[in-house]
Amino acid sequence: TAGITQAPTSQILAAGRSMTLRCTQDMRHNAMYWYRQDLGLGLRLIHYSNTAGTTGKGEVPDGYSVSRANTDDFPLTLASAVPSQTSVYFCASSPSSGNYGYTFGSGTRLTVV
Amino acid sequence: GENVEQHPSTLSVQEGDSAVIKCTYSDSASNYFPWYKQELGKRPQLIIDIRSNVGEKKDQRIAVTLNKTAKHFSLHITETQPEDSAVYFCAAPEGGSEKLVFGKGTKLTVNP
Repeated sequence: TAGITQAPTSQILAAGRSMTLRCTQDMRHNAMYWYRQDLGLGLRLIHYSNTAGTTGKGEVPDGYSVSRANTDDFPLTLASAVPSQTSVYFCASSPSSGNYGYTFGSGTRLTVV
Repeated sequence: GENVEQHPSTLSVQEGDSAVIKCTYSDSASNYFPWYKQELGKRPQLIIDIRSNVGEKKDQRIAVTLNKTAKHFSLHITETQPEDSAVYFCAAPEGGSEKLVFGKGTKLTVNP
């Protein structure tokens, strides 16, 4: 089934440890995004990529990094996790070129203790 | 940058009643306004969207209206059903880009 896959589904991580959240899409979408969702704050953009080889910072980029080596994959890395990074993380993709329709992954629930 | 405000934060209605959720945006250049529905524990899913060249769009029991002059758009759900219970998010693009800025969400509860 075509779509966007995130892994892991959930994770408990010790503060100070690093972790990479994986995101893969098979729709050949140009643009990809990482959002975090926190109660009462909605969805906030962390990083984005308009096309393979390019990335940009969103509203809340501190403590996170991304890479876009190819069209399909857009991993999000936490270099040294802190409790405030406890959240649900959603990856999304869109065709771009004027088509804004986002497809979201199923999310990763991360708890930093 | 774009700022999207969404109201109310919670909404409770009786089955069969109508529900209306409103959003305002700040960037007059924004030209695309989607609405997403997120059921508990699930991913957000696009339910309807509107572009700036039309004032209203309908899809069965849901509709979106847009007032570009006032910079606000609304989601209307008629004949609500318990399965409409979810969190609804509006969004608008930031600064002419394709990055979406989301409202903080409205938790809709439809009571049987």
